[in-house]
Parts: sequence; C-alpha cells; structure tokens
Amino acid sequence: DAGVIQSPRHEVTEMGQEVTLRCKPISGHNSLFWYRQTMMRGLELLIYFNNNVPIDDSGMPEDRFSAKMPNASFSTLKIQPSEPRDSAVYFCASSFGGGLPNSYEQYFGPGTRLTVT
Amino acid sequence: LAKTTQPISMDSYEGQEVNITCSHNNIATNDYITWYQQFPSQGPRFIIQGYKTKVTNEVASLFIPADRKSSTLSLPRVSLSDTAVYYCLVASSGSARQLTFGSGTQLTVLP
Repeated sequence: DAGVIQSPRHEVTEMGQEVTLRCKPISGHNSLFWYRQTMMRGLELLIYFNNNVPIDDSGMPEDRFSAKMPNASFSTLKIQPSEPRDSAVYFCASSFGGGLPNSYEQYFGPGTRLTVT
Repeated sequence: LAKTTQPISMDSYEGQEVNITCSHNNIATNDYITWYQQFPSQGPRFIIQGYKTKVTNEVASLFIPADRKSSTLSLPRVSLSDTAVYYCLVASSGSARQLTFGSGTQLTVLP
C-alpha cells in the first residue's frame, strides 16, 4: 500500500495567488481529514469527510479556504487568495471508520509545506 | 472541549522505560484517548488508542485510570529512534474546531 499521497510536497507562492493542495487517501478508507500544523497553533483539524461528504468544516479558518472530495480517491484543499499567515504544513489523513476522529486510527500523508510570501 | 495537557519535553536514556502522562480533565463519556508519534518532516503516526484500564500493543502500553482524567503512554526500553514528538489526543465528537493535537511532548533519547 502506498499510503496517503499528497502533492505537491512543497509550494511557494506569492500573496494573493490561489493554492491547491491534493490528497489521495488509502484505498478502502472512507474518512478523510485535512490538518494544518504551525509552531504557534500546533496541529489543527480543518475539515473531515466521511464517504466523500463533508461532515464538519468548522475548523476551516475562513472563507478563503475550501475543500472538496469529488470521489473516494481524491480530495483538494484550496486557498484563494493566499496570505502569508497561511504558511504552514498541511497534512491529509485517512481512516476506515465512521468519520469521528476520536475513534479511528488515522494514517497521515507526508504533508505539503506551504510558504506564502 | 477535552483539552489536554502534556509536558513540553522529556529526556531519557537508551534502554529505559519512558512514561508520558497526559491530563484531560474534561474528557467526555464517548471520547477515546489516542496517542500519535511525529518525526520531523513527517506526518503523525498512530501509536495506541484506548478507552479505559490498560491497552498494550507491540510498541507501547496505555494506562487509563478509572476516572479517565489522565492517561499514561509507556514506551518500554526506548532507543535513539524513539526521539520524536508524542501527542495525546482526546477528540470530541462535536465541532472539528475543537480537535487539536496541541504542542505534544518532545522526547529526546540520549545514548
């Protein structure tokens, strides 16, 4: 199994540009999670999907952030327009279960390091 | 909100047993306690999960007292490769906004 795949691994962009992060979950997993990690705030859950449906997006910081999961094998996290304070490492994770992060083992991808200048 | 409190850092020597305690006074009835390990430039990796009493797997043990207000991750005979950040997660079944791993415990294993 290839594990959770994220792309790109590194992204450097200028303020105001659109950024799209991509994630391919582990085959057979039905829950997908997007996290953001910074030194100041640690690892925060942004949104999670269960069976391709967004269950809770209350962790998304503001309207500039959006996430989609068009099918079971692909998800995107988009930031438009990007700002320097969005600089962070963004992780995608997947699990097999009911979509509640507290009960199921999550497998994390390698992350995308985003730098907005 | 089941906020967790962990020591910021711990040092140990190779071959010793390490115990990392996490406080979660406001844990809810349906919450599970999960521990993750994270190496630099990698995503967190699941270690162990439990609800009460004791859970053991091939890499660690998790001790949870009856009141569930704390938990202790026990790593037997640590090696240099166990140097990492360890997170205690007690996730609420409510808003995702409340789900944060916090800053974790930086464990440094010395030779």
